[in-house]
Parts: sequence; C-alpha cells; structure tokens
Amino acid sequence: RKEVEQDPGPFNVPEGATVAFNCTYSNSASQSFFWYRQDCRKEPKLLMSVYSSGNEDGRFTAQLNRASQYISLLIRDSKLSDSATYLCVVNIVGRRALTFGSGTRLQVQP
Amino acid sequence: NAGVTQTPKFRVLKTGQSMTLLCAQDMNHEYMYWYRQDPGMGLRLIHYSVGEGTTAKGEVPDGYNVSRLKKQNFLLGLESAAPSQTSVYFCASSYGRGYEQYFGPGTRLTVT
Repeated sequence: RKEVEQDPGPFNVPEGATVAFNCTYSNSASQSFFWYRQDCRKEPKLLMSVYSSGNEDGRFTAQLNRASQYISLLIRDSKLSDSATYLCVVNIVGRRALTFGSGTRLQVQP
Repeated sequence: NAGVTQTPKFRVLKTGQSMTLLCAQDMNHEYMYWYRQDPGMGLRLIHYSVGEGTTAKGEVPDGYNVSRLKKQNFLLGLESAAPSQTSVYFCASSYGRGYEQYFGPGTRLTVT
C-alpha cells in the first residue's frame, strides 16, 4: 500500500466550477503537509502548506483531518490555468525527504 | 536569485555511456535531493544530502552515484547508462528536514 494515496483522475470540470481533491496518508507519524502543483513537463511547485486548522489562499482552501488521516484541497471558481497535476506531499517523522503522492490531474474546460 | 538550476536540460546517451548531471542552488539550503519521474509514476528519490560532504541513498539508488563537495552543488552521476534510466530527473533543495522543497526545471534523459 502506498504511504500517500491520491485519485489519479483526471477530473474534468468546466470553468467556474468548484472541485475538491482528497489525499490519504497511512503513516500516523506524518507531521506536516503540503500541496504542490505540477504543470505538464515542468517541475513541481509549492502551492500551499496545510495547517491543522485549515488555511486558505485566494481560491484555494486546504484542510487536514488527522483523525481520518487525510488532507483535502478545494479550488473555487476554477480557471483554465488551474489545469495541472496536484501532488499531495507529507513529511513523515524520521524521514529526511518529503513523501510525494502520485498526483491528481485536473483539466478545466472552457 | 535563480533558485535551483539544473544542467543540462536535455541529453541523449547510448547504453554504456556515462554522464554527470549538475544541480546548483543559491538559497543556502542544507538539504538537496535527486528524484526521477517516469510516466504514470510519482517522484522517486534516488539520493539525497543533508549537508556539504554528506550523501545518502534514497528509494532507487542503484546505477547512480552522487557527490556534494560544495554546499550549493549536488552532482548525479550515471557510470554506465541503461535504457531503464530514461527518465526526467529533478533536483530539489530545502532548508532542512520537513521544510518545503524547491525544485529545479528538470533534465530529460534518453538512453538508447
């Protein structure tokens, strides 16, 4: 079983829609969490960190549920430019590198 | 402030040839990493370094070697390239354990 699991998608949504992705993690020693965005044939880039109380950055909202061991990303008012793969990333205590999920692909259509 | 840079951007090798990929960062980060990414698969950690002069194996280290002689540079070597090493290679750096990682633009390597 993978330590970080994501639905690979693709999620096909119209412009202006609200879309949400979930990510589950299996290691209860996971300590910090991030969402990264990766455009086709480009490097992953940090989208936002995920805080215990949840946090928002413009149209993006991240939530953490430690009891159920999942994090979520909500995108409101989707734009064409939001089309990308979204990577769920977890810091597991004792590990020197972050653990990356395989990503969820989002395609926003006109 | 260039962040993380990688050279070369593209390379084609024949089986058995060797090459070195260079990663440089100007953020004074202690930790540096090398990943490979294959179609349909996530990032897989090859080797990493927690400081100048240190290196350690990641998830898929076989066929690769690394060196970190200077804090700002992290080199990835392929001694005898194989077609299975055809991939996109990303370098990343971070301030320390658990901090966000910043990635370079990647090197696309094809081994024929």
